[in-house]
Amino acid sequence: KNQVEQSPQSLIILEGKNCTLQCNYTVSPFSNLRWYKQDTGRGPVSLTIMTFSENTKSNGRYTATLDADTKQSSLHITASQLSDSASYICVVSAVGSQGNLIFGKGTKLSVKP
Amino acid sequence: DSGVTQTPKHLITATGQRVTLRCSPRSGDLSVYWYQQSLDQGLQFLIQYYNGEERAKGNILERFSAQQFPDLHSELNLSSLELGDSALYFCASSVGHKGNTGELFFGEGSRLTVL
Repeated sequence: KNQVEQSPQSLIILEGKNCTLQCNYTVSPFSNLRWYKQDTGRGPVSLTIMTFSENTKSNGRYTATLDADTKQSSLHITASQLSDSASYICVVSAVGSQGNLIFGKGTKLSVKP
Repeated sequence: DSGVTQTPKHLITATGQRVTLRCSPRSGDLSVYWYQQSLDQGLQFLIQYYNGEERAKGNILERFSAQQFPDLHSELNLSSLELGDSALYFCASSVGHKGNTGELFFGEGSRLTVL
């Protein structure tokens, strides 16, 4: 069964600190993996999209890694800011999935001053 | 601003009623997707349309239906509403080439409350 598991479920860090969010998936055959940021009550916003051949992708202070062999991805946030407080969602697409992306339940990050 | 417009932003109705949610995709995007997000839950894929035709179906209830019109806007119809249908409903759009889900752009959602 295609699944995406994220950890931790929630995380509290102090402003300025770094953090890493994890995503494990069992989606097959793999097409791409995406990370989205979702502010409370708002629509998700894309951070990165990674295909099978990409190991690392950055978007400002956000860096995503992908290990297609172990089916794991991580999202590293550097020098966190209060505005980073949000849910971070890992989404995996299977080849030929015709739009049925598999969403993780997200990690809720709270950045405290 | 993602370029995807959803209306209404908020909707309160009673059990047994019917509502219609509307989505206008980004200019040039042919694919429209609908998702449901219940409180503190992940997004659940409901249905996808590509250029007016249904392309994929997810966990969409029989009481729900959708369509995409020639101008590419889409509507999600929810009928015989139950308390459990209370959720955020998101629309997303993408260029959507056949067999390939491109980058998704989400609207701000329609929050449905069923009393």
